[in-house]
Amino acid sequence: SQTIHQWPATLVQPVGSPLSLECTVEGTSNPNLYWYRQAAGRGLQLLFYSVGIGQISSEVPQNLSASRPQDRQFILSSKKLLLSDSGFYLCAWSVPEEYTFGSGTRLTVV
Amino acid sequence: GQQLNQSPQSMFIQEGEDVSMNCTSSSIFNTWLWYKQDPGEGPVLLIALYKAGELTSNGRLTAQFGITRKDSFLNISASIPSDVGIYFCAGRPYGGSQGNLIFGKGTKLSVKP
Repeated sequence: SQTIHQWPATLVQPVGSPLSLECTVEGTSNPNLYWYRQAAGRGLQLLFYSVGIGQISSEVPQNLSASRPQDRQFILSSKKLLLSDSGFYLCAWSVPEEYTFGSGTRLTVV
Repeated sequence: GQQLNQSPQSMFIQEGEDVSMNCTSSSIFNTWLWYKQDPGEGPVLLIALYKAGELTSNGRLTAQFGITRKDSFLNISASIPSDVGIYFCAGRPYGGSQGNLIFGKGTKLSVKP
């Protein structure tokens, strides 16, 4: 069966520290992968998407970057976190139309 | 860019009441999806619609792909407390990249026992 793993579930990081969130998918090949951010429990903001290894598209200029070193691995990073980076981060995959979301990472930058 | 207008933004209802929410767009969509997000969790797919006019049910939930292909609605019958959460519509616009969905801003549902 197809599953998506996202970790950690919660993270508290100081301003200026680096960030690495990881997402892995099982049971599928060559999925489209996505990173979303959700503020205040409302709308989903698309941050990055990837259609293949090493292929990253950025939707919103920001303090974050994404990488896809393997077919089923998607990483969200930052060199120096800002307070405004706090939020709920969701990874998702699609093959091809229906998105399946991970359980999310609650990031609090203090 | 293309947008989905989802309404209402929030609903406060009594247990047992029926619920209706919808999404509209000025553009034609090829796919409509409805998701539910429980607090602190990722959204979960409820219903997927692929044809104009399609009406699909999932338990107490019913969703329809509008004939004009510019709208979709989700109905929940006889609401229960566990229906609480945020409901998102999502769609793939005609001519859009396959797999890249546009999401509505969500409808937050609160159910009073």
